[in-house]
Amino acid sequence: KQEVTQIPAALSVPEGENLVLNCSFTDSAIYNLQWFRQDPGKGLTSLLLIQSSQREQTSGRLNASLDKSSGRSTLYIAASQPGDSATYLCAVENYGQNFVFGPGTRLSVLP
Amino acid sequence: GAGVSQTPSNKVTEKGKYVELRCDPISGHTALYWYRQSLGQGPEFLIYFQGTGAADDSGLPNDRFFAVRPEGSVSTLKIQRTERGDSAVYLCASSLAGGRGDTQYFGPGTRLTVL
Repeated sequence: KQEVTQIPAALSVPEGENLVLNCSFTDSAIYNLQWFRQDPGKGLTSLLLIQSSQREQTSGRLNASLDKSSGRSTLYIAASQPGDSATYLCAVENYGQNFVFGPGTRLSVLP
Repeated sequence: GAGVSQTPSNKVTEKGKYVELRCDPISGHTALYWYRQSLGQGPEFLIYFQGTGAADDSGLPNDRFFAVRPEGSVSTLKIQRTERGDSAVYLCASSLAGGRGDTQYFGPGTRLTVL
């Protein structure tokens, strides 16, 4: 059974810092991996999707990498802003077509 | 255009009661998903519909949980004989075709509290 973990559970940084969020999964036979953002009282928003054959994806200040063989992904956020404060969730899509989510990292960016 | 909507936004019920949670997907989306998110955890897959049929219901925890999508659009998640452990946020998502890698658009969720 696929299990997804994320560290740290919570992170607080001053505005402008670069930061890295980590995601690990136990079964490397995944179809893809996604990073989501969740704001309080709102649904999830997809940030980046990495296919299993890819190594990384970039969108603006966000860069996600994937090392499928070691079961790891990182989300790099450059020049963090208070508006980046949210919970970041990593999810792997199995060949069974359903997502397995990690518990999330709660990020606070202080002005 | 409108996103995925869910009603009610909050539901408080007593142990043993029956509840229905509604999801309105994005118009034209054939795939619909239900997830459950407990406090401090990531969403947990419950069931996936392709059109009117449940393509994968392997995540439903037991037979107290049931979901329908009779016309291939709106879906209702039904929970019988609710238990305190059912308290969670229930999220719905829809996608255009439901294939692997198809972007899922999430609703804001229904927060269910069982007293």
